[in-house]
Amino acid sequence: ETGVTQTPRHLVMGMTNKKSLKCEQHLGHNAMYWYKQSAKKPLELMFVYNFKEQTENNSVPSRFSPECPNSSHLFLHLHTLQPEDSALYLCASSQPGASGSSYEQYFGPGTRLTVT
Amino acid sequence: SQKIEQNSEALNIQEGKTATLTCNYTNYSPAYLQWYRQDPGRGPVFLLLIRENEKEKRKERLKVTFDTTLKQSLFHITASQPADSATYLCAPSNQAGTALIFGKGTTLSVSS
Repeated sequence: ETGVTQTPRHLVMGMTNKKSLKCEQHLGHNAMYWYKQSAKKPLELMFVYNFKEQTENNSVPSRFSPECPNSSHLFLHLHTLQPEDSALYLCASSQPGASGSSYEQYFGPGTRLTVT
Repeated sequence: SQKIEQNSEALNIQEGKTATLTCNYTNYSPAYLQWYRQDPGRGPVFLLLIRENEKEKRKERLKVTFDTTLKQSLFHITASQPADSATYLCAPSNQAGTALIFGKGTTLSVSS
């Protein structure tokens, strides 16, 4: 266990559905991230939150909407997705700004999303 | 645009040999470079971080080098074991450590 949990682990949704992915970290970190991992492609950074503020949006389509109510929780709200959005969505957390080796990111197990 | 290349998609070696994985980057001057291991269906797990002013970092059977002139990092696993079979990802990052750009990864298979 990495201290980062994600629910659900698997999700199948139609293109007209609305669903949300949830991430929770128990590590006391102040930065949280959403990544997308598609087959045969590198991990793509989607969003970064530092101290609950969004600091990076990597040109993600508006059908993906993140929410960070506090430093421990991160959501990804999904609506009107396309089949090409099917992928593994990974959440991670880290403690930026600390000295030493504190820049590593701790990943959750991911949510396997299938859009039909 | 920034580009990360890992030498090959797959690397097959015999148990006991040293595995060497390569990560090259262009149009980027990272302050740090991290290596992660990812097993199928799971999230990446952090292995090592090396700073731009460090030439080499070791942890047990793992060794990472960082050559900012060549814009390259090498990741070595000595005395490899079948349990080392996984995909290894390299990720340069900025000074804050928040913006990681991941390579596609190299899938290592160690046969007994």
